[in-house]
Amino acid sequence: DAGITQSPRHKVTETGTPVTLRCHQTENHRYMYWYRQDPGHGLRLIHYSYGVKDTDKGEVSDGYSVSRSKTEDFLLTLESATSSQTSVYFCAISEEDSRNQPQHFGDGTRLSIL
Amino acid sequence: ILNVEQSPQSLHVQEGDSTNFTCSFPSSNFYALHWYRWETAKSPEALFVMTLNGDEKKKGRISATLNTKEGYSYLYIKGSQPEDSATYLCATGGADGLTFGKGTHLIIQP
Repeated sequence: DAGITQSPRHKVTETGTPVTLRCHQTENHRYMYWYRQDPGHGLRLIHYSYGVKDTDKGEVSDGYSVSRSKTEDFLLTLESATSSQTSVYFCAISEEDSRNQPQHFGDGTRLSIL
Repeated sequence: ILNVEQSPQSLHVQEGDSTNFTCSFPSSNFYALHWYRWETAKSPEALFVMTLNGDEKKKGRISATLNTKEGYSYLYIKGSQPEDSATYLCATGGADGLTFGKGTHLIIQP
């Protein structure tokens, strides 16, 4: 299995609090992604990174920010969490972009915003 | 935002039978089509990445075909086994990440 660790695995917090999720990889892959998975929807891309300090928005980026200060870590921050951000969050990595490389997924973080 | 559709949403198949399901995607600006298997309580696992029209890929009893001109891909499972029970996701995209379909939930009945 690809060396991807998401932390925390579960979190419950209150509306309005800041939340940071961490994705750590040991594969030295260039690309990293954050997705959310909700009932009735496929996996939806929040943000992605194509290198250290190089990030871009995905389909559902509003309310989220990301940072990548080193190759192995990609952080997802909810500055002020809302109940609509209750979801399961998946990190994925790939060696190069998705034009010919598969993505490898972490085990997910279940986030509940009360 | 690309529109990726999968059908059917769910499928019950008897053990030993073969089955197939469909992924439809926009044929313009196509780069790649991905298939993933997602078992309950696990994370999605890559099956295939397909890029060329007419591509066929195979992994054990699972195979996939690609038609980029008409915008569809088929996933086939031959001789279904209980361990094939999972949600199968397809996705398309390029340098800026993937757009996923909602998946086909496959249940193999003994």
